[in-house]
Amino acid sequence: SQQGEEDPQALSIQEGENATMNCSYKTSINNLQWYRQNSGRGLVHLILIRSNEREKHSGRLRVTLDTSKKSSSLLITASRAADTASYFCATHPLTDSWGKLQFGAGTQVVVTP
Amino acid sequence: KAGVTQTPRYLIKTRGQQVTLSCSPISGHRSVSWYQQTPGQGLQFLFEYFSETQRNKGNFPGRFSGRQFSNSRSEMNVSTLELGDSALYLCASSSLAGWEQFFGPGTRLTVL
Repeated sequence: SQQGEEDPQALSIQEGENATMNCSYKTSINNLQWYRQNSGRGLVHLILIRSNEREKHSGRLRVTLDTSKKSSSLLITASRAADTASYFCATHPLTDSWGKLQFGAGTQVVVTP
Repeated sequence: KAGVTQTPRYLIKTRGQQVTLSCSPISGHRSVSWYQQTPGQGLQFLFEYFSETQRNKGNFPGRFSGRQFSNSRSEMNVSTLELGDSALYLCASSSLAGWEQFFGPGTRLTVL
């Protein structure tokens, strides 16, 4: 079973717009990460936020984490067609944790020119 | 540095057969994790190896097994294949287990 839910399941936007996706999880965590996957290929790491952090930025990406609500959000600003992909949040659990990431179901993002 | 490589990229097997998938991690990475990705169940953790030892295991039947060699390369084996084993199998390496993971392109297994 998966760790949590992602919302929305799918998102369609135009180039230049912002894309926001949310992730909820169930257990206590060490960190939360976001990954991107293009067309059933391998995942690419985007950003990691530790459990004691509330917000982090990397280029056009902004991630927030609310451990009291067990939720996170990923904002992609000024979207480009190349951002079309599936985005997954993944949590590193506090226990039973060696090498284990628990993934959400993913948000499929389509950016049209 | 070269990325994570997985071989083969595609595989077609029939029910009852067994299969071995290979993963070469990024040089210097000693932690290798394996995941199964299916449309129905999403991405699920199979197991993790570090210095030739399995340190963690997901909720998969004993038909799924793995090993790691002294050079950190890892293999996973699935015996007595079932139709439901059709999936994309991903391996990931990390210098710090559970932190940033670097994924290979995956092996797409089809069981007929």
